Amino acid sequence: DAGVTQSPTHLIKTRGQQVTLRCSPKSGHDTVSWYQQALGQGPQFIFQYYEEEERQRGNFPDRFSGHQFPNYSSELNVNALLLGDSALYLCASSLSRKNTEAFFGQGTRLTVV
Amino acid sequence: AQSVSQHNHHVILSEAASLELGCNYSYGGTVNLFWYVQYPGQHLQLLLKYFSGDPLVKGIKGFEAEFIKSKFSFNLRKPSVQWSDTAEYFCAVSETNAGKSTFGDGTTLTVKP
Repeated sequence: DAGVTQSPTHLIKTRGQQVTLRCSPKSGHDTVSWYQQALGQGPQFIFQYYEEEERQRGNFPDRFSGHQFPNYSSELNVNALLLGDSALYLCASSLSRKNTEAFFGQGTRLTVV
Repeated sequence: AQSVSQHNHHVILSEAASLELGCNYSYGGTVNLFWYVQYPGQHLQLLLKYFSGDPLVKGIKGFEAEFIKSKFSFNLRKPSVQWSDTAEYFCAVSETNAGKSTFGDGTTLTVKP
């Protein structure tokens, strides 16, 4: 049973560029959440997708957008990259019901130069 | 808004010492509580969770945590740590309807052999 898989594992981009990160949820999960983890900090919630719609959003600018596909996989897009966007981006999947836990992927390490 | 405070940024212990990591949260409603562990080079893994019922929760690898509602606390404990427990530990809280999780900034535990 595959867990949460993310690609790519590492990425280097230049300021102003755009990036797309991908996530496949754990088998049977229908909800995907994205988090940003800066060095020395805990993960910060970006947004959550369920039934192909953004359901909840954290305090992140509109440069951060996402998508969920019919097979529950998801993409995180970041436009107009800033140096401050350098971080580990984590995907977590869960079931859309009460009292459920999230399973995390290994993350994508994004470096903006 | 929810917030999570982990009191210790870095804890250094010798093997066989007892461990207690503090976690306090601020949220007035019903919450789910989690402790995650991140071993060097690995993804976030769930140590234990509290949804309801017995406030003393037992997790993997001999860890336990106690939910004290009146103190808004969910401290992690282990009677005797091992070198292999060296890792970063994150406390997290979410609302019961499977919404976003709010994480603390983590505690780095170093266990000396």
